[in-house]
Amino acid sequence: QKEVEQNSGPLSVPEGAIASLNCTYSDRGSQSFFWYRQYSGKSPELIMFIYSNGDKEDGRFTAQLNKASQYVSLLIRDSQPSDSATYLCAVSLGGGADGLTFGKGTHLIIQP
Amino acid sequence: GAGVSQSPRYKVAKRGQDVALRCDPISGHVSLFWYQQALGQGPEFLTYFQNEAQLDKSGLPSDRFFAERPEGSVSTLKIQRTQQEDSAVYLCASSGGSRPLNEQFFGPGTRLTVL
Repeated sequence: QKEVEQNSGPLSVPEGAIASLNCTYSDRGSQSFFWYRQYSGKSPELIMFIYSNGDKEDGRFTAQLNKASQYVSLLIRDSQPSDSATYLCAVSLGGGADGLTFGKGTHLIIQP
Repeated sequence: GAGVSQSPRYKVAKRGQDVALRCDPISGHVSLFWYQQALGQGPEFLTYFQNEAQLDKSGLPSDRFFAERPEGSVSTLKIQRTQQEDSAVYLCASSGGSRPLNEQFFGPGTRLTVL
């Protein structure tokens, strides 16, 4: 059974600091990895995706993937209060053309 | 349309009633997904369509749940004889199928409350 594990938090980080969000997954066949941000009462929106081992940077966001350890992380640099949200880790066996398996999400709070 | 739309946005049903939830995907998107999100949880996959073909329905929790997409565009998720445990937000997502990333765009969801 596919499982995705995240610490539910809340994770509290001071404004301007680096927020580090972690995720582990159980299915070694997983090929694609996604980070979604979900504000309270809203739908998830994609902020990062990664397929290959290593780091991928996009603006203030860096996704890190270690397939050997079955570990995915998201770093948010220069955290802003608007980054306060729930961050959902999701994995796919294909390239996202199949149903995603989500973790429960980590609630991130950026303290001004 | 500009994005995925869902209707109704809110639905209150008495236990035992049947409900139908509608999803309008982004125009031209081939793939359509339904997820169920309980309070405080991540979305859970229910079913997936490619055009009108239902390719995966492994996530449907019981035979009371049924989904269709007869013309490969609009989809309807039907729940028969609703139970309290069916209370959740039902999210629809669509994808254009472009590689390498099949980004799934989510609609606003339908919040179902079963009394």
